[in-house]
Amino acid sequence: GAVVSQHPSRVICKSGTSVKIECRSLDFQATTMFWYRQFPKQSLMLMATSNEGSKATYEQGVEKDKFLINHASLTLSTLTVTSAHPEDSSFYICSARFDSTRRETQYFGPGTRLLVL
Amino acid sequence: AQSVTQPDIHITVSEGASLELRCNYSYGATPYLFWYVQSPGQGLQLLLKYFSGDTLVQGIKGFEAEFKRSQSSFNLRKPSVHWSDAAEYFCAVGALAAGNKLTFGGGTRVLVKP
Repeated sequence: GAVVSQHPSRVICKSGTSVKIECRSLDFQATTMFWYRQFPKQSLMLMATSNEGSKATYEQGVEKDKFLINHASLTLSTLTVTSAHPEDSSFYICSARFDSTRRETQYFGPGTRLLVL
Repeated sequence: AQSVTQPDIHITVSEGASLELRCNYSYGATPYLFWYVQSPGQGLQLLLKYFSGDTLVQGIKGFEAEFKRSQSSFNLRKPSVHWSDAAEYFCAVGALAAGNKLTFGGGTRVLVKP
């Protein structure tokens, strides 16, 4: 089956620093990757859609200058939380899909837990 | 825009008993429907999906779901629950018109009593 990894699995940082989270599709090429955040006991909220080689599309209310997304290759997308603050503490999950033009399933990574002190 | 409702926030079931999780969706056309399971602190694992065709879909771990267009529902069922089925379950709808973005329901937490 399709495998998606995330690194790191958890990170603790000081307020004001930047944190980079990697999302990799290990055994397939992902034309589209998605970034979600999940607060405790809540559902997943889509933050942005990332297509390889183009700018990410952000959902309403998500600050693109704070959550920088780069999708430089078909197997790697990165999310950088810039100048992180305690309210950015959350569980960040990525997913990857084979082909954006078909009804392909999204495969999810294991998530990254971010704690900002 | 599409939306998904999972009416039950928590469900407690005895091991060996049957389980049914409800999911209702709102979307103007035929949606793509998914059920995912999430163990604590983990990502999401796909249980099953419906795109078209047979409205009764079989998934992994003994789960099945039935698409009922007239009721806008996609309920998940398992005949006999195992302790390892304790987890959070999410129903999701995707729409081609929305770039196949997924919209998730609020989730249902399943507790399994011995």
